[in-house]
Amino acid sequence: KAGVTQTPRYLIKTRGQQVTLSCSPISGHRSVSWYQQTPGQGLQFLFEYFSETQRNKGNFPGRFSGRQFSNSRSEMNVSTLELGDSALYLCASSPPGLAGGETQYFGPGTRLLVL
Amino acid sequence: AQSVTQLGSHVSVSEGALVLLRCNYSSSVPPYLFWYVQYPNQGLQLLLKYTSAATLVKGINGFEAEFKKSETSFHLTKPSAHMSDAAEYFCAVSGAAGNKLTFGGGTRVLVKP
Repeated sequence: KAGVTQTPRYLIKTRGQQVTLSCSPISGHRSVSWYQQTPGQGLQFLFEYFSETQRNKGNFPGRFSGRQFSNSRSEMNVSTLELGDSALYLCASSPPGLAGGETQYFGPGTRLLVL
Repeated sequence: AQSVTQLGSHVSVSEGALVLLRCNYSSSVPPYLFWYVQYPNQGLQLLLKYTSAATLVKGINGFEAEFKKSETSFHLTKPSAHMSDAAEYFCAVSGAAGNKLTFGGGTRVLVKP
């Protein structure tokens, strides 16, 4: 099976712009989660989507949003970019399961640099 | 609320020596516990996972971890370090609702020849 893929891998934007990142989960996985990784804050949970519905949400401002499509692919959007949004954005997918604690399989990440 | 503490942001070991990475968690419900490894410019790779089936969990690449409820710990060990073990290691916890992972701050392992 192909792993989790994320596009693009690298991105440079300027302050005030918006950006959309894409994630394709492992075939058959219905849960997709997004994380932000920075040197200062470490790995932080953004949100999780399951069957096109947001199931969990982290403590990020409303500028961060996401969605999931019927084929389980997911996108996250960041509007009005700030310098502090520079980070590695990781997507992870999980097998179907409603009880939680499913193993998450991570993609290689999208590295976003905001100038 | 769940939290994870990893003691030591950097660990240096000699090749062939024991690797011990410490992780303590706080969770109000029986947790699911994970160790992930991250190599430079890559995503996270699962090393092992605790799901209450056994307190000693064996993972990939010779790593194992022991769940100790009384100490709220889930330390990761490997008997003999290899140069390829140089990476950053993350301990994480999730609860019963959804798949939100809460990560520790990470421990960067340096292996000296």
